[in-house]
Amino acid sequence: ETGVTQSPTHLIKTRGQQVTLRCSSQSGHNTVSWYQQALGQGPQFIFQYYREEENGRGNFPPRFSGLQFPNYSSELNVNALELDDSALYLCASSLVRGSIDSPLHFGNGTRLTVT
Amino acid sequence: GESVGLHLPTLSVQEGDNSIINCAYSNSASDYFIWYKQESGKGPQFIIDIRSNMDKRQGQRVTVLLNKTVKHLSLQIAATQPGDSAVYFCAEILNSGYSTLTFGKGTMLLVSP
Repeated sequence: ETGVTQSPTHLIKTRGQQVTLRCSSQSGHNTVSWYQQALGQGPQFIFQYYREEENGRGNFPPRFSGLQFPNYSSELNVNALELDDSALYLCASSLVRGSIDSPLHFGNGTRLTVT
Repeated sequence: GESVGLHLPTLSVQEGDNSIINCAYSNSASDYFIWYKQESGKGPQFIIDIRSNMDKRQGQRVTVLLNKTVKHLSLQIAATQPGDSAVYFCAEILNSGYSTLTFGKGTMLLVSP
């Protein structure tokens, strides 16, 4: 069973640029969630995708957007990067949308640094 | 790997001791709680979960206790080992139709040999 994989592992961008982060969900998982984890903090929910549509969103501005593909993989896009966007971005997949019986499985994240 | 433990509460124990990590959750309507372990440079790893209709659940070397009256959750680790050193987060889910986790601030556990 293949776990959640994310790429790249590290990334450095300049303020104002755009970035795309990628995630492959665990085999058989159809729901993907993205979280932002600032240094020394717990992860914060960005949004969730199910059947290629956004299925819930946290308190993040529209410049954070995403996609889910037919194979359930996903992308997180951030436009007009700001210094405060520097964080670890975590992708998590689960088997069933909306079920608390389906724990999230996290990838190891992408460390984004904005200078 | 990079540390995720800066500015976090820290619990230091000796190998073989029992550890207790505490967490206060925010939403009295939350009905599912999970403890995650996060090692440096890695994503959170599921440890144990508990539903709101329970007050205790045991796993291998770990026990979670839930006190809904004071909105408090604890994780007990028996016979703590150096490999248990990590940041521990509690997370809650409000069964709102999608499995969104709200994480607490985290506690760093340091185990000395």
